[in-house]
Amino acid sequence: DAKTTQPNSMESNEEEPVHLPCNHSTISGTDYIHWYRQLPSQGPEYVIHGLTSNVNNRMASLAIAEDRKSSTLILHRATLRDAAVYYCILRDVYMIYNQGGKLIFGQGTELSVKP
Amino acid sequence: NAGVTQTPKFQVLKTGQSMTLQCAQDMNHNSMYWYRQDPGMGLRLIYYSASEGTTDKGEVPNGYNVSRLNKREFSLRLESAAPSQTSVYFCASSVQEGDTQYFGPGTRLTVL
Repeated sequence: DAKTTQPNSMESNEEEPVHLPCNHSTISGTDYIHWYRQLPSQGPEYVIHGLTSNVNNRMASLAIAEDRKSSTLILHRATLRDAAVYYCILRDVYMIYNQGGKLIFGQGTELSVKP
Repeated sequence: NAGVTQTPKFQVLKTGQSMTLQCAQDMNHNSMYWYRQDPGMGLRLIYYSASEGTTDKGEVPNGYNVSRLNKREFSLRLESAAPSQTSVYFCASSVQEGDTQYFGPGTRLTVL
């Protein structure tokens, strides 16, 4: 499986934008880039995913580098509720059904938000 | 619409005791999963059920059994608990394998 590398931790101020980086230099052409987050004492929740083009939804934006070797999750205005561990996960669209659809979680980035 | 629910929320067992963790989803999803999360680590897949009537091993299945009771419910059983099974257990579901997964709140299990 292609690996991802994320910083262990980041800090942000409330109401400021946050850019969470993820490196995936060995990504294959069929890997989708997914982001999940885990709030304290809760289960993970889906944030966003994309393949090649930048993606936006009500929670965040995903910016994907042209060579797809890195991506950035963008929270446009961080709130205290956004303090969580953010996981960048690659999912090969052809391998998913051979692996039982499992999500492979790394260490993630722990985001803290200061008031 | 409760999503994915898990019971119990907390449990303390002695080594050798058995117990069953319950999971239910009301989203009419076909696929369900059990993960464990150890301190400071990401989640690891224990077992999954791609559809009602099927179950398969994940990456850490030893010491566990599962039952897909019906489309809604997927239980995880520890036959003889060991301290190494102290962890937080998360159940998840998705429409199909490979789709976005929705997680429950977790069960915090301590084995003494």
